[in-house]
Amino acid sequence: EEQLVQSGAEVKKSGESLRISCEASGFSFANYFIGWVRQVPGEGLEWMGVIYLGDSDTRYSPSFQGHITISGDKSISTAYLQWNSLKASDTAMYYCARHPIGGHAFWYFDLWGRGTQVAVSS
Amino acid sequence: EIVLTQSPGTLSLSPGARATLSCRASQTVSANYLAWYQQKPGQAPRLLIYGASSRATGIPDRFSGSGSGTDFTLTINRLEPEDFAVYYCQQYDTSLRTFGQGTKVEIK
Repeated sequence: EEQLVQSGAEVKKSGESLRISCEASGFSFANYFIGWVRQVPGEGLEWMGVIYLGDSDTRYSPSFQGHITISGDKSISTAYLQWNSLKASDTAMYYCARHPIGGHAFWYFDLWGRGTQVAVSS
Repeated sequence: EIVLTQSPGTLSLSPGARATLSCRASQTVSANYLAWYQQKPGQAPRLLIYGASSRATGIPDRFSGSGSGTDFTLTINRLEPEDFAVYYCQQYDTSLRTFGQGTKVEIK
């Protein structure tokens, strides 16, 4: 079964660092980009960025660039989302999702992880 | 940035009814690079439609997508109890891919 397995919930304080993970299971990372999507409690979805682990090609939303780092380790089929200094406003559910490699026609997310809840207290 | 505006915010319907959800883009979405997702409480989103009108694997045929340019529609025929959820559109025409704010389909 194809799955994206995300790491568990986190409780942090403002200013702390954090890295959450997303591991591919049942399919080859080589054929997909992995993206991250934020959902603040009670609100909608926000596209944060994507990475292709084959060559570490990474794209960020301007809304998040400079505050997050998306990375990965292709040897263990795992993508990461990292903060060096969390803010209370980072409290949200974070989903990873995949889209196939290729051109624009394939940039939709066809498989999602279950999400990692991040709570940041001030 | 392409801004997607979904309407209505909430749709109150009875099981068996037809739901019509709208997604309007602030500029043309080339080649219909638009997807629809369903999200139920406590769950991750699920892909329903891509390319504006192609159903994803395993999606029932009561879900259909249409539209082009700046106006897109998701239609759900004969609402089933499991269809009551929040629906999001997403454009993937530009490098900055954006979502609409969502439409909640609730039981009347």
